[in-house]
Amino acid sequence: AQRVTQPEKLLSVFKGAPVELKCNYSYSGSPELFWYVQYSRQRLQLLLRHISRESIKGFTADLNKGETSFHLKKPFAQEEDSAMYYCALSGTGTASKLTFGTGTRLQVTL
Amino acid sequence: GAGVSQSPSNKVTEKGKDVELRCDPISGHTALYWYRQSLGQGLEFLIYFQGNSAPDKSGLPSDRFSAERTGGSVSTLTIQRTQQEDSAVYLCASSIRGGSFSYEQYFGPGTRLTVT
Repeated sequence: AQRVTQPEKLLSVFKGAPVELKCNYSYSGSPELFWYVQYSRQRLQLLLRHISRESIKGFTADLNKGETSFHLKKPFAQEEDSAMYYCALSGTGTASKLTFGTGTRLQVTL
Repeated sequence: GAGVSQSPSNKVTEKGKDVELRCDPISGHTALYWYRQSLGQGLEFLIYFQGNSAPDKSGLPSDRFSAERTGGSVSTLTIQRTQQEDSAVYLCASSIRGGSFSYEQYFGPGTRLTVT
């Protein structure tokens, strides 16, 4: 069975501080990992995916197969980063259906 | 262009009644997904449609839940004899296609279902 764990329900940081949203997964094959974000009163949207290896809005995430982790990082948090963040996994041959974590609310304060 | 739309945005129903939730995917998207988000839970996969293939119903929690997709476009999720534990936000997503490669899924605004 595949599973995604986000241990923090809420992460509160000051503006300009580094951010790390944790995500661990369990899956026996080669997964695809994603981060989705939901800003206040907006739809859930894709932030980034590990195969793209790109930085979006200053966020990066590296897939660590040894630690089965896909933590989301940003060196300097901005107020507009405040949102709900979901880590998700798609398994090989699972027709792209996503398994989501329970989400972490990031709160960036002045 | 227009994104994924869902209706109604909110639905309050009495326990035991049937409800229908509608999803209009992005035009041209052949893959359509339904997810559910219960209070304090992550999003839970329910069902997946890809073109004319048989749907993947592996996530449906009970036989009270069913879904169909007419003409490869609009989808309806039906919950019969609703129970209080069915209260959740039901999200629909579409992607240009499904399959072994994960194309980006675009989500609708959701339908908040409350069973009283």
